[in-house]
Amino acid sequence: NAGVMQNPRHLVRRRGQEARLRCSPMKGHSHVYWYRQLPEEGLKFMVYLQKENIIDESGMPKERFSAEFPKEGPSILRIQQVVRGDSAAYFCASSPLGLEGYTFGSGTRLTVV
Amino acid sequence: GNSVTQMEGPVTLSEEAFLTINCTYTATGYPSLFWYVQYPGEGLQLLLKATKADDKGSNKGFEATYRKETTSFHLEKGSVQVSDSAVYFCALSDRVGGATNKLIFGTGTLLAVQP
Repeated sequence: NAGVMQNPRHLVRRRGQEARLRCSPMKGHSHVYWYRQLPEEGLKFMVYLQKENIIDESGMPKERFSAEFPKEGPSILRIQQVVRGDSAAYFCASSPLGLEGYTFGSGTRLTVV
Repeated sequence: GNSVTQMEGPVTLSEEAFLTINCTYTATGYPSLFWYVQYPGEGLQLLLKATKADDKGSNKGFEATYRKETTSFHLEKGSVQVSDSAVYFCALSDRVGGATNKLIFGTGTLLAVQP
């Protein structure tokens, strides 16, 4: 039973480009959460999704960031027109039925140059 | 709002020393409490959890007790090993209207165990 799969592990983008981060939840998990970890900081909640629905996006920046979790395929976190301040590790987690103590992926480390 | 405060690191110990990493929280209601561990270059792994007051979570020799009276969830281990070197995060669950189940994390404490 594979864990939460995130790809790519490392992503380098130039300022102004788009970044797409993918997350495949564990088998049987229909709830996905995205977190961001800035250097030397803890993780900060960004968005909570179920299949085809955004449940809570209170942690998402108002502009340039979007997330989806389609009926088929992985969840995608999309960052448009990246800036240096977007450089961080982005972690995805999944859970069954929104239960606590969910499982994290290994993260995508985004570097904006 | 809800928040978690944990002791700053780094914490440097010799092998077989006793470990305490302090964690206190502010929350309305009765959140569940967690400790996660992050090894270099990896994601977070759930280490232990407690869901109500006076519960003790334990795993791999680590323990933490949910203390409502002191709003604390300190992590302890009697004898650390080099392999325990990692960053440890304290977290609480933040359920909004019964729907969202996001976690509020502390800033993390780096533990370095020397042979």
